[in-house]
Amino acid sequence: DGGITQSPKYLFRKEGQNVTLSCEQNLNHDAMYWYRQDPGQGLRLIYYSQIVNDFQKGDIAEGYSVSREKKESFPLTVTSAQKNPTAFYLCASSMWGAVTEAFFGQGTRLTVV
Amino acid sequence: GQQVMQIPQYQHVQEGEDFTTYCNSSTTLSNIQWYKQRPGGHPVFLIQLVKSGEVKKQKRLTFQFGEAKKNSSLHITATQTTDVGTYFCAGYQGAQKLVFGQGTRLTINP
Repeated sequence: DGGITQSPKYLFRKEGQNVTLSCEQNLNHDAMYWYRQDPGQGLRLIYYSQIVNDFQKGDIAEGYSVSREKKESFPLTVTSAQKNPTAFYLCASSMWGAVTEAFFGQGTRLTVV
Repeated sequence: GQQVMQIPQYQHVQEGEDFTTYCNSSTTLSNIQWYKQRPGGHPVFLIQLVKSGEVKKQKRLTFQFGEAKKNSSLHITATQTTDVGTYFCAGYQGAQKLVFGQGTRLTINP
């Protein structure tokens, strides 16, 4: 089945530790995105990538890092510099171009204690 | 940068009542997309509007794109409990930066 997979679904980490969230897609999509969602909040863009080995900062990139070494994969690292990392993280992908829908993964709920 | 604002933030209705959410952009949009997120789920694409003044219908859902391509609305006629969720509008800033509104959370009293 084609789709976008995020793992794990739930993640717990201690404060001060870096953590990497996985996002894999087999839709052959060029563009991939990471969003953060807080309770009662909308989707805020962290990073996005249009092509392999290239990515751009979104609106809330501070404290996060990404890589795009393969077309299928776009992992997100939440660093210790992120002041309030507890949130629901959503990965999405879309075809190249501005008139295409985005497909979302199931999300990873990160809790930092 | 482009801001996509959505109102209201929350809406509670009785089952059978209508519901409308509004989306406004600070800049002209090339297109607007609408997504629905069920409680505990992830956003799922509903529809895309491209043309100025465009109106599209999906059963009880009616989507409109403003003449100036800076605003949009989603109207649900005679809500059902299956309509519960958060509705987001989204637009592209540039070629590939997809930005979302804050969403409107719809709850329904059966």
